[in-house]
Amino acid sequence: DTEVTQTPKHLVMGMTNKKSLKCEQHMGHRAMYWYKQKAKKPPELMFVYSYEKLSINESVPSRFSPECPNSSLLNLHLHALQPEDSALYLCASSQVGRESKNIQYFGAGTRLSVL
Amino acid sequence: SQQGEEDPQALSIQEGENATMNCSYKTSINNLQWYRQNSGRGLVHLILIRSNEREKHSGRLRVTLDTSKKSSSLLITASRAADTASYFCATDRGGGFKTIFGAGTRLFVKA
Repeated sequence: DTEVTQTPKHLVMGMTNKKSLKCEQHMGHRAMYWYKQKAKKPPELMFVYSYEKLSINESVPSRFSPECPNSSLLNLHLHALQPEDSALYLCASSQVGRESKNIQYFGAGTRLSVL
Repeated sequence: SQQGEEDPQALSIQEGENATMNCSYKTSINNLQWYRQNSGRGLVHLILIRSNEREKHSGRLRVTLDTSKKSSSLLITASRAADTASYFCATDRGGGFKTIFGAGTRLFVKA
C-alpha cells in the first residue's frame, strides 16, 4: 500500500470556524509533512514530524496547529483562518533514512476555501 | 523562498516529441528529485539523482545533474498526452528533512 489518504477533499469554512484536516498512511513511514500550495505555485513546506515529534515549523502562523497522534496519522487543526489561507493543503510521508527521506509520497490534498 | 528555479515556465509540444525542462538551485545538495503533479492533485515522485551522479534514466525519463553549475535537466522522450502535468525539481538543502521545490514547468502535450 503506497497510499497517503487525505480527508476531506474539499473544505469551505468561515473565518470564525474551527476545522481539521486529516492525513493517514500505512507504509510504516516515520516522517510526515504538511505543505501549502497556491495555484500555479510550488508546494511550500509548513511542518515536518519525525517519529511523531515536531521537527520543523516553517514559521507558520498559530492559527494552523499540527498534531501527530501516532505514526500513521497527521492532523492539521485550523482556527480563525484568513481568506489568503485558501489553498491546496498537501500531506506527505517518507522514510527517515539519509536518502529515503527525500522520496516523499503525497496525498491528493484538501482544497480549502476560507470565506 | 524557493531554492530551485525552473525553465521554461510552460511548454507546449505535440505528442511524440521530446520535452526538456531545466532546474537551477543555489546551495549544496545531497541529491535532487523530480516530481510530477497532475492538475490539482498530489505530487508523484519520478526520480532521484545523487550529487555524485551525472545522469540517470528511468523508462522515458532522463535526468542530468551538473553540480558545478548547480543545475539539472529532465528529458521526457516520446511524450504522450498523459504526460501533461506540472513538473517540479526538489532539493534537500544539505541533508535535512526540508525539501525545497522549484517553481515548476507546466507541460502540455497535444494529441
